[in-house]
Amino acid sequence: ETGVTQSPTHLIKTRGQQVTLRCSSQSGHNTVSWYQQALGQGPQFIFQYYREEENGRGNFPPRFSGLQFPNYSSELNVNALELDDSALYLCASSLGGRAADTQYFGPGTRLTVL
Amino acid sequence: DQQVKQNSPSLSVQEGRISILNCDYTNSMFDYFLWYKKYPAEGPTFLISISSIKDKNEDGRFTVFLNKSAKHLSLHIVPSQPGDSAVYFCAATPGYQGGSEKLVFGKGTKLTVNP
Repeated sequence: ETGVTQSPTHLIKTRGQQVTLRCSSQSGHNTVSWYQQALGQGPQFIFQYYREEENGRGNFPPRFSGLQFPNYSSELNVNALELDDSALYLCASSLGGRAADTQYFGPGTRLTVL
Repeated sequence: DQQVKQNSPSLSVQEGRISILNCDYTNSMFDYFLWYKKYPAEGPTFLISISSIKDKNEDGRFTVFLNKSAKHLSLHIVPSQPGDSAVYFCAATPGYQGGSEKLVFGKGTKLTVNP
């Protein structure tokens, strides 16, 4: 059973650009959640996908969007990057859509916006 | 507003002693609480959880206590080991809302266990 992987590890973008972050869930997990962790803060829920459909969203603007694919991979897309988008982005997969289901986190992608 | 608060950014204890990490919450709708541990350059890993219908849950060296009236939970690690040195996040879920249940995290407490 492989763990959750994320790519790239680090990324540097400039303000106004667009970015796509990728996540590969554990095999068989039908749910993926994305979190943003700013420096010195805890992870903050962005959205969740369950069986390829968005299944809940936190307080993030529409320029944060996502996709989940049948092969358990998923993407987080951020348009019109702002300086405050600089953070560690974590994805977590689970079997089932309940937050109480154990979520398995990837190591994260560190995004820096200049 | 911060619904889950970990007021101690750091904690240092001696190996073999007890570590107590505290967490307070403000949302009375939270019904499930979790602790995650995070090492540098790794994602958070699930440690232990507790439902609001219980006041204690134990798993080996780790015990979580929940005081619903005080909206307070704590994680006890006994005995503490150097390998426990990590950032510990308290998280809570408000239950089923519109098709998903999101985790709300605190800011974390960095635990250092000294040999």
